[in-house]
Order: sequence, then C-alpha cells, then structure tokens
Amino acid sequence: AQSVAQPEDQVNVAEGNPLTVKCTYSVSGNPYLFWYVQYPNRGLQFLLKYITGDNLVKGSYGFEAEFNKSQTSFHLKKPSALVSDSALYFCAVRGSGNTPLVFGKGTRLSVIA
Amino acid sequence: DTGVSQDPRHKITKRGQNVTFRCDPISEHNRLYWYRQTLGQGPEFLTYFQNEAQLEKSRLLSDRFSAERPKGSFSTLEIQRTEQGDSAMYLCASSLAGGPNGNTIYFGEGSWLTVV
Repeated sequence: AQSVAQPEDQVNVAEGNPLTVKCTYSVSGNPYLFWYVQYPNRGLQFLLKYITGDNLVKGSYGFEAEFNKSQTSFHLKKPSALVSDSALYFCAVRGSGNTPLVFGKGTRLSVIA
Repeated sequence: DTGVSQDPRHKITKRGQNVTFRCDPISEHNRLYWYRQTLGQGPEFLTYFQNEAQLEKSRLLSDRFSAERPKGSFSTLEIQRTEQGDSAMYLCASSLAGGPNGNTIYFGEGSWLTVV
C-alpha cells in the first residue's frame, strides 16, 4: 500500500528566508510524486510533480522539490519565502498503473513578515 | 473558467436527509475523481471514473454513498440518510488518462457539507 508522511504539522519561516516542507513516501515500484497547496476554504492547487527525469523539479510560484530515491523523500523548497505563501501544503504519491493519489495530512506554512 | 466546477459550494442539511453534489470536470478530461477532506486531514480517495465507467471505489464509500457519471461528462455524488460524520468537504478532480499531463489531477473548489 502506498503512503505519505509529512512529519511537520506546522512550519514557520520569516519572509525572505528559504523554506522547506518535508515529505517522505512509501510505494511499490516507481513513484509519481506531487505537491499541492490549499488556501482557506478552497480546493487544492497543483504546484509541481515528479514522474521521471531530473531529481530537481521546478513548479509554480517559485517552488521546487527534490526527489531523493534512497531516502524516499520529496521535500518542497523555495529560496525566498513570501507572506502570500502562507497556506496548507499537501504531498501526494501514486504508484504505476491506475492507483489513485494518496495524500499526506498536510503541513501548514506560516510566513511571518 | 475552464476549471473543475462543483455545485453547491456549501450545503447544510439535517441528519437523515439525502444530499447530492454535482461536478463538471475540465472538458477534455476523461477521468473524474471524488475525494473527501475533513478538518486537519488530507484528502481521502472515494472513487473514480474513466469516462462513464466507475473503476475503483474506496472502502470509505459506504452503501449510503453513490456516484454516477452517466454520459462520461459531469458526475454526481449522492449521500443518503446523512449522518453527522458525513460533515466534510467533498472534492472533485479530473485528469486525462495518458499523455504528458495524464498524471496530474486538477481539483475543484470543493463542496462543504454540514450535517446538523
């Protein structure tokens, strides 16, 4: 069975500082990895994905994520945080075939001015 | 707006009543998904369709829940005899099967259900 762990419920960072939101996963076979962001009372917005290729994936709003197969991790990063980045971030994974996406519990990012 | 559309956005119902949610996917997407999200949790998979065929259902989808996608376009999710534990946000999403963007699913804004 596939699963995702987001070990931090909350991440606080000062505006302008780099941010990292952690994600580890478990899946049979090659993983398909995703990050989504959710603002209050809204649906989820796609940020980026890793399917194959370069381990460093660039996505929307300046976010990037690094796939590390040996550590089964897919941490989300941004070099310089903005107050507007404050939101709930979800990591998700699926295996090959038609298996549905499985989400982590989410990490609340708070960027302080 | 060509995104995933859900209706209604909010629904308050009394325990025991039936409710129905509608989802209109992105027009060219042939896969449609339903997820449920409760406060403090990530979305949990309920079911998905490829065209009009319902291909997978989660154990979370009790017999009070039924989803349809009769013409392979919009979908409905009906909850019969609602219980307070059904209070959640119901998220619809869609994707293409295959192709370079086939692995990305796009979500609607969700339908909030409150059972009182």
